Amino acid sequence: AQSVTQPDIHITVSEGASLELRCNYSYGATPYLFWYVQSPGQGLQLLLKYFSGDTLVQGIKGFEAEFKRSQSSFNLRKPSVHWSDAAEYFCAVGAWGSGGGADGLTFGKGTHLIIQP
Amino acid sequence: KAGVTQTPRYLIKTRGQQVTLSCSPISGHRSVSWYQQTPGQGLQFLFEYFSETQRNKGNFPGRFSGRQFSNSRSEMNVSTLELGDSALYLCASSLGAGGAGGQYFGPGTRLTVT
Repeated sequence: AQSVTQPDIHITVSEGASLELRCNYSYGATPYLFWYVQSPGQGLQLLLKYFSGDTLVQGIKGFEAEFKRSQSSFNLRKPSVHWSDAAEYFCAVGAWGSGGGADGLTFGKGTHLIIQP
Repeated sequence: KAGVTQTPRYLIKTRGQQVTLSCSPISGHRSVSWYQQTPGQGLQFLFEYFSETQRNKGNFPGRFSGRQFSNSRSEMNVSTLELGDSALYLCASSLGAGGAGGQYFGPGTRLTVT
């Protein structure tokens, strides 16, 4: 079964500074990887996804993520954060196409991003 | 295109009662998945429906059930509610089975069991 680890529970970044949120996954084959963001009281918004191909994926709101198979990582980055980026960020892994179906998405515990003025 | 909608947004029930939550997927999406989100356990997969059939089920007791209609709308039912069922229940839709193409989430239904 797949698993996802987000080692940082909280991260504080100054507005305008760069951001990197870490995500490590465990899965036996090539995974499908996702980053979602959740604002308080809201559902999850898909930031970006990786299925195959180019390992650097561009998403919405200026975010990007890089898939590194050798490190089993899919870290999320943004060059300059805005106060509106304060939210909970979730990394997720899924597996499809094996014919046996998938157990849905497996999510990490999330990283709470705090933006300092 | 309208996003995923969930009704109701908030619900308060008493232990022992049952509850039904509704989810309308994005137009054209045929897969609907349900997740439970709690502070302690995080986001956990409940089940997925595709073309009115349950494809997968997470590790939840039989009190949790669901169904999907021919228009892809889905309902989730929890019987004999327990205090621990208090959570945010999220529905996600996708074009293909198993969430292929990415899952798009609704705003959730906040269930409080007293």
